[in-house]
Formats: sequence, C-alpha cells, structure tokens
Amino acid sequence: DTAVSQTPKYLVTQMGNDKSIKCEQNLGHDTMYWYKQDSKKFLKIMFSYNNKELIINETVPNRFSPKSPDKAHLNLHINSLELGDSAVYFCASSQDRYGEAFFGQGTRLTVV
Amino acid sequence: DQQVKQNSPSLSVQEGRISILNCDYTNSMFDYFLWYKKYPAEGPTFLISISSIKDKNEDGRFTVFLNKSAKHLSLHIVPSQPGDSAVYFCAARRNAGNMLTFGGGTRLMVKP
Repeated sequence: DTAVSQTPKYLVTQMGNDKSIKCEQNLGHDTMYWYKQDSKKFLKIMFSYNNKELIINETVPNRFSPKSPDKAHLNLHINSLELGDSAVYFCASSQDRYGEAFFGQGTRLTVV
Repeated sequence: DQQVKQNSPSLSVQEGRISILNCDYTNSMFDYFLWYKKYPAEGPTFLISISSIKDKNEDGRFTVFLNKSAKHLSLHIVPSQPGDSAVYFCAARRNAGNMLTFGGGTRLMVKP
C-alpha cells in the first residue's frame, strides 16, 4: 500500500490552463505539505496543513491554492499556469508538526 | 539565500568503502537535521536524523555527525553498497515549526 500517493504522476498542459494535483495519505498523519523541486533540483516548501488548517504558506503566487477536504487529503490547484511553474511537485505528510516527513512519488508538471 | 548547502553535487565511491556526504548550514536557529535519500522518479525517503543536542547518531550502516560550532553535518555510509546509489538531501528545521529547508542534494554513485 502506498503511504503518500499523488495523482497524476505526469502532467503536460498549456500556459493559461488551470490544473489540480491530488494527494492522499493513509498513514493517519495530522500534517501534510506541498514541496516544489525546481529546475536546479532544490526542494522548497510551499504549504503546510495541520488537521486541515493552513500553518505555513511560503511566498507562493496566489495562483496556487491548496485545498484540504479532510486531514488525509491535500490537493493543489494552480490557476493560469505559467512556463515557470514547470517543476516536480511533491506532497508529504508527517505524524505531527515535528515528525519526519514521508514523501509521495512526485508529479512532474510541464507547462508548454 | 541558501541556508543549507551541499557543495558536492556528486560523489563516486567503490563498493565496500566509506561514503561521506557533507552539508553546511548558515542559520544558527536550526536545531534538527535530517538526511533523505531519493531514487529517480520517486519521492525522498527519510534516512536518519539528529537533534542539535547530540553530535552523533547511528543507524546500521548510516551515521550522521553534527558539528554545531562549524555549522556542519555529515552522513557516513559504511560499507557502501551499489543500492546506496541515489541523490542524498540534507535538510534542517527550526524548533518553532515544521518547515524543512533542503540542501541541493548530492548524487552518490557506488561502483561495484
């Protein structure tokens, strides 16, 4: 059983489109995250949710909106996609705010 | 401003020898450090961690050393195995929150 699963694994879309990436964890964790790995391979946090509440929102354009319908899910919706949004997006979860993060396999987003 | 740096983008080691991966940080508020391992097309996997109150933590073939005065940590893998070939990310965290700051990664290649 996959602990943290993201869909889709690959996403190719045109500039200006709106897209969503879904994330689910079956670990019973309270905290979930979205990280972005850019072209230089740096992993940077975007958002963190604890029990469905936003606790971290790094400097991310407001075109990016996380949605947490319940504590097992944290979806990422992106409006008006730009070329610079092309990256690998990783979802992660941890037991609580202080536990080690478990990562999903990543979603490679390519904006053309 | 990169607060966590891994200055060696790659490292090649013979099977059975020791692999030493290095990481430097600049933020003295970091008090918890983690190493993640990443295979291609997969998410990072937690490997080992160390709190700032310790200077060494060991788990099987993996040992992490922390030198707070130098703001430096290292991961030792002994003996190295071909299956250890992956990208290794160093990450750091402040006690106030759960945001991980990652280094840029070091690609380790263990040759049979």
